Amino acid sequence: SYELAQPPSLSVSPGQTAKITCSGDKLEDKFASWFQQRPGQSPVLVIYQDDKRPSGIPERFSGSNSGNTATLTISGTQAMDEADYYCQTWDSSSVVFGGGTILTVL
Amino acid sequence: VQLVESGGGLVQTGRSLRLSCTTSGFTFSDYVLSWVRQVPGKGLEWVGLIRSEDYGGTTEYAASLRGRFIISRDDSKSIAYLQMNSLKSEDTAVYYCSREARPDVSSAMRGGDEYFQYWGQGTLVTVSS
Repeated sequence: SYELAQPPSLSVSPGQTAKITCSGDKLEDKFASWFQQRPGQSPVLVIYQDDKRPSGIPERFSGSNSGNTATLTISGTQAMDEADYYCQTWDSSSVVFGGGTILTVL
Repeated sequence: VQLVESGGGLVQTGRSLRLSCTTSGFTFSDYVLSWVRQVPGKGLEWVGLIRSEDYGGTTEYAASLRGRFIISRDDSKSIAYLQMNSLKSEDTAVYYCSREARPDVSSAMRGGDEYFQYWGQGTLVTVSS
């Protein structure tokens, strides 16, 4: 079965750039989505189709997908960006989530 | 667009439980609905999905859950269901339903670019002996 790997955690200082990676075999041949989940809340879509941003998501969120790695980049990270982040893709007709990355802003 | 899960609670090991995802604000019959669960303190796990009736109402499941969990839909009520049988302690989780951004299309046209734009608030299922 297809698997997506994410670093368990990442720490950044406010105002710096956070890059969260998501690795999978030939992931560039698939589309990646990213979800933000704050404690006690439902996931929120922040990037879809590798690099598209839904309406209402700040411009500081961007995405890319190349080779075996999709990357979520948060530029000028703010305290409110502290959350868990999950990547997701499709493997045939099944959905696959990465294990999630805890982003700490301190 | 609103999705509201219900039906969670405490259930004994080995018993069954049915969750509902009640929706509003869109033409329910046109969309694929998925169920995703999250064990407390852990990551997201896809449970399965149900296609629109226009495309057969077919279901897909995570391999580990196939056979115990059944997804169905009632387009007349705009509700999707998750029937969970032979429950185990490891099924304890918050269960979310989610809707894809675009209406369903033929299988030939589903190219893996679908994405989950809308989520419910989740319902907690606790399985205990």
